[in-house]
Amino acid sequence: TQLLEQSPQFLSIQEGENLTVYCNSSSVFSSLQWYRQEPGEGPVLLVTVVTGGEVKKLKRLTFQFGDARKDSSLHITAAQPGDTGLYLCAPLYNFNKFYFGSGTKLNVKP
Amino acid sequence: NAGVTQTPKFQVLKTGQSMTLQCAQDMNHNSMYWYRQDPGMGLRLIYYSASEGTTDKGEVPNGYNVSRLNKREFSLRLESAAPSQTSVYFCASSEMHAGGPEQFFGPGTRLTVL
Repeated sequence: TQLLEQSPQFLSIQEGENLTVYCNSSSVFSSLQWYRQEPGEGPVLLVTVVTGGEVKKLKRLTFQFGDARKDSSLHITAAQPGDTGLYLCAPLYNFNKFYFGSGTKLNVKP
Repeated sequence: NAGVTQTPKFQVLKTGQSMTLQCAQDMNHNSMYWYRQDPGMGLRLIYYSASEGTTDKGEVPNGYNVSRLNKREFSLRLESAAPSQTSVYFCASSEMHAGGPEQFFGPGTRLTVL
């Protein structure tokens, strides 16, 4: 089992604030995915990062894969209530299997 | 397209009872997965099927069996339910992309074992 840590576990902010959540491991991964899960639903894929140092943007969300491919971050600019949810990182540790972190639970208050 | 569907949505069992969770996908994906999600934890892989007729154990397979009935359907069976199996169960299917498989998840089955 890979040791995977997501931080912070919980985050409660006001609408309009910026935030960053982190996903760290001691292992090197070939790629890593970020998912968002809303209450009562299954996770939905946001992005896949593959190359060390890669940065991808999805509207107000910016994803970065660490140079050594051991860590990743998700930055949200001007958070909105619709961003509320559980953010999960999932490194690929086998050809087609992912290991999911425990997630960051984000609450954006209007 | 319905995507990934799961039945039932909710289930309450007594210790020792058995049941089968059903999952079907209409996206013609080869790979299918069963995960469980417990409070404060991420999703843990129970079983995985790379294609029709093949299955592999994941992180937490004990107490579960699976059947890949055909390309569309992948069922999860609890032969003798235990309170430790109280959880939310998610089925997923995937297609390959450049960075790896893109997984599509069902809405989940919420199981309580008393």
